Amino acid sequence: ETGVTQTPRHLVMGMTNKKSLKCEQHLGHNAMYWYKQSAKKPLELMFVYSLEERVENNSVPSRFSPECPNSSHLFLHLHTLQPEDSALYLCASSQDTQVSYNEQFFGPGTRLTVL
Amino acid sequence: AQSVSQHNHHVILSEAASLELGCNYSYGGTVNLFWYVQYPGQHLQLLLKYFSGDPLVKGIKGFEAEFIKSKFSFNLRKPSVQWSDTAEYFCAVNAQGNAGNMLTFGGGTRLMVKP
Repeated sequence: ETGVTQTPRHLVMGMTNKKSLKCEQHLGHNAMYWYKQSAKKPLELMFVYSLEERVENNSVPSRFSPECPNSSHLFLHLHTLQPEDSALYLCASSQDTQVSYNEQFFGPGTRLTVL
Repeated sequence: AQSVSQHNHHVILSEAASLELGCNYSYGGTVNLFWYVQYPGQHLQLLLKYFSGDPLVKGIKGFEAEFIKSKFSFNLRKPSVQWSDTAEYFCAVNAQGNAGNMLTFGGGTRLMVKP
């Protein structure tokens, strides 16, 4: 595997379910990100982690809970979601967060549908 | 806070036509600017970026972009498009020196190139 991978690629869940999205990067990077891509809205940054520490939580509801156990893995734990949370969730990584012009490498995304 | 506007949501061109996609940003400080592209069924990937030096930046696949500071613009250009350029194009910005390497994206422009 190379680059940034995400599982599952598609997820359908009810509002009372608990599920987790997984992201793994194989690039030796130290920073990882979660983005939300909704229909007709710009890509929105949700969380930033640098060396497993959260750098930014961009005013995301508590029903989204990130976890970064090491610099290669990032999870997004989901519980009691709303239908408006249906979106494509993208993971990205970069070398670090210190150099602001570093390229971010994106995964394929998880298409989430909340019923 | 930063914001990014991409005024053209959908663009349809014939092969060999010239392309210019608009991108304007709102931020008073020094910025890094990026264009990302998402080909059908593929990941978001970097097309080009500007962070300092020559304001005319050349990227992959014959694309270029010009940073015009006085106009807060970073328009993407290609002199002659190909069918394979059909994709969605995203402009993004972050503040130089910002902690977290946080990108703000525009809403994207869908380009369709007719063979």
